[in-house]
Amino acid sequence: SQKIEQNSEALNIQEGKTATLTCNYTNYSPAYLQWYRQDPGRGPVFLLLIRENEKEKRKERLKVTFDTTLKQSLFHITASQPADSATYLCAPTGGGNKLTFGTGTQLKVEL
Amino acid sequence: EADIYQTPRYLVIGTGKKITLECSQTMGHDKMYWYQQDPGMELHLIHYSYGVNSTEKGDLSSESTVSRIRTEHFPLTLESARPSHTSQYLCASSPRGGQGGNEQFFGPGTRLTVL
Repeated sequence: SQKIEQNSEALNIQEGKTATLTCNYTNYSPAYLQWYRQDPGRGPVFLLLIRENEKEKRKERLKVTFDTTLKQSLFHITASQPADSATYLCAPTGGGNKLTFGTGTQLKVEL
Repeated sequence: EADIYQTPRYLVIGTGKKITLECSQTMGHDKMYWYQQDPGMELHLIHYSYGVNSTEKGDLSSESTVSRIRTEHFPLTLESARPSHTSQYLCASSPRGGQGGNEQFFGPGTRLTVL
């Protein structure tokens, strides 16, 4: 069955450093991969989408890579700030209208 | 900020009661979704709709039901609430087109507690 794996342990980094979050998937070949941010008690907010034919996508301090050979996406936040602290969810999708989300990785950016 | 609304935000109710969680969006999106999420756990899709009079069950079995009589409205109903239904319920919508490439816009969620 399809499986999505994200770091289950929280990632703690210092302000100003680059945070790197990993999303691995098995048993399917997504055409797209989306990343969302979720704050406690709130709904997820869309951040970035990358297509299978795109190796890298950038938006301000965010960068996403998509390696279909490794079946992995990396999500980078450069010059991280305490306001970036949240849970980040990946959602690889095969092209249908439904999304399946990973469990998310909690990021804590410390002063 | 996404124009998708959920009411109530919090609901505490006794076992056996019938409840309806409301979800409305003003973006004209054809596709709407309901997810269930326990604290610290992943989102599970329980219902979705691709348009008026279209509803499908999601990946996680749920005793709830949904209806889609108007494009903007996608309510979720539990006929007889039980403690096992205690969870956060999140509604989302996305526009027509773009197979899999459309972002989903989420509402703020309803935190349901069944005593």
